[in-house]
Amino acid sequence: AQKVTQAQTEISVVEKEDVTLDCVYETRDTTYYLFWYKQPPSGELVFLIRRNSFDEQNEISGRYSWNFQKSTSSFNFTITASQVVDSAVYFCALSEAPQGGSEKLVFGKGTKLTVNP
Amino acid sequence: DTGVSQDPRHKITKRGQNVTFRCDPISEHNRLYWYRQTLGQGPEFLTYFQNEAQLEKSRLLSDRFSAERPKGSFSTLEIQRTEQGDSAMYLCASSINRRTQYFGPGTRLTVL
Repeated sequence: AQKVTQAQTEISVVEKEDVTLDCVYETRDTTYYLFWYKQPPSGELVFLIRRNSFDEQNEISGRYSWNFQKSTSSFNFTITASQVVDSAVYFCALSEAPQGGSEKLVFGKGTKLTVNP
Repeated sequence: DTGVSQDPRHKITKRGQNVTFRCDPISEHNRLYWYRQTLGQGPEFLTYFQNEAQLEKSRLLSDRFSAERPKGSFSTLEIQRTEQGDSAMYLCASSINRRTQYFGPGTRLTVL
């Protein structure tokens, strides 16, 4: 069965600090996808990144970076030099890729990040 | 705006009433998903359409829930005889085949 664990319920930092959000997943499939979504107070889930299980290269996009490690089943997300606008709930999600399947997303419970000025 | 849209954004109803939500996916997206999110939790999968065919339903989707996607475009989610436990945010997402799912703003349901 698929499972995503985000052990950090809430994190509070001061602006310009770096912050890492942890994500650990469980799956029996060898082919799967991992995602991060951001949910600001407005409520809409905003897509940030999608990675497939065969691509373990870390990725950087501006102040955001992602560290994917299959050996520890982790897909952690780091925000460098955090800003107040980064305040949101961040969700890690997993989807398997069964033949003919839906690729439904299984989400963690989310980490609420508060960046204080 | 060409993103996923949902209507209404908020719905307050009394227990026992029926409610219907609408989702308009991104144009040309053939897959449409419904999720439910309760306070402090991540979204949970409810059901999925490929074009007009409903191909998968979660056990969360009791017989009081029904979803349709006529003509493979917009979708509706109806809840009959609402209960207080149905209070949640109902999220719709769409994708092209097996690609990234893009979410709408959600419909927040409050059952009194």
